[in-house]
Amino acid sequence: DAGVTQSPTHLIKTRGQQVTLRCSPISGHKSVSWYQQVLGQGPQFIFQYYEKEERGRGNFPDRFSARQFPNYSSELNVNALLLGDSALYLCASSLARMTGELFFGEGSRLTVL
Amino acid sequence: EDQVTQSPEALRLQEGESSSLNCSYTVSGLRGLFWYRQDPGKGPEFLFTLYSAGEEKEKERLKATLTKKESFLHITAPKPEDSATYLCAVFPNHSGGYQKVTFGTGTKLQVIP
Repeated sequence: DAGVTQSPTHLIKTRGQQVTLRCSPISGHKSVSWYQQVLGQGPQFIFQYYEKEERGRGNFPDRFSARQFPNYSSELNVNALLLGDSALYLCASSLARMTGELFFGEGSRLTVL
Repeated sequence: EDQVTQSPEALRLQEGESSSLNCSYTVSGLRGLFWYRQDPGKGPEFLFTLYSAGEEKEKERLKATLTKKESFLHITAPKPEDSATYLCAVFPNHSGGYQKVTFGTGTKLQVIP
C-alpha cells in the first residue's frame, strides 16, 4: 500500500509569493494534519482536517490556509511568503480523528529567498 | 500550554554502547505519549504509544517507558542503522476536539561503528 505522498518535494519561492502544497493520505485515512518543521526543531502543528472539515488550527497567521477534498487529499496554501516560512512542511494522516499515531509523508522543503 | 523537553540534544555512541534518551513533559492530563524516529530529509516514523505511568513498549533494540513526568527511550546495543533523530510527542486529554499533538525538538543519535 502507498504511504502518505506529498508534492512537490522541493521548491524555491521569493518573498511575497504564494505556494500550494499537496498531500495524499494513506488509503482509508480520513484525517490529514499539516506540520511545519524548521531546521533543528520538532514539527509544529498547523491544521487538522477530518471528513473535509477543519478540526483544529495551531498558532499560525491567516496567511496559512488549507482544505480537504472529497477523496481526503489536502492542500496547504501559504500567501505573502516571508523568509521565516522556509521549512519542511509535513503532512500526516491517521485512521482516527483523535490519535497521536500519525503517518507522515516525506515532506515538502520550501525555501523562501 | 503543553511542553515537551528532550535531552540530550545530541548523543554519540559506539556500536554496542547502550544508553537512554529522556523526554520530560508538562500536560494537563495525558491522552498519550508517542515516540517517533526521523531520518535526515524524511518525515517522522511512528515507533511507540504509551498511555499510562508504568507502561513499557519494546521493538527490537528500543524500549520506551513512561512515568508521570517523563518518558525514556532505552537503546540496547545500538547499531549504526539506529542513527537518527528521535522525537517525543504528547497528546493531551483536553485537546479541544482535535489532534493537538506537541512535539519536542528531538535527540539526534549517532552510532559509530
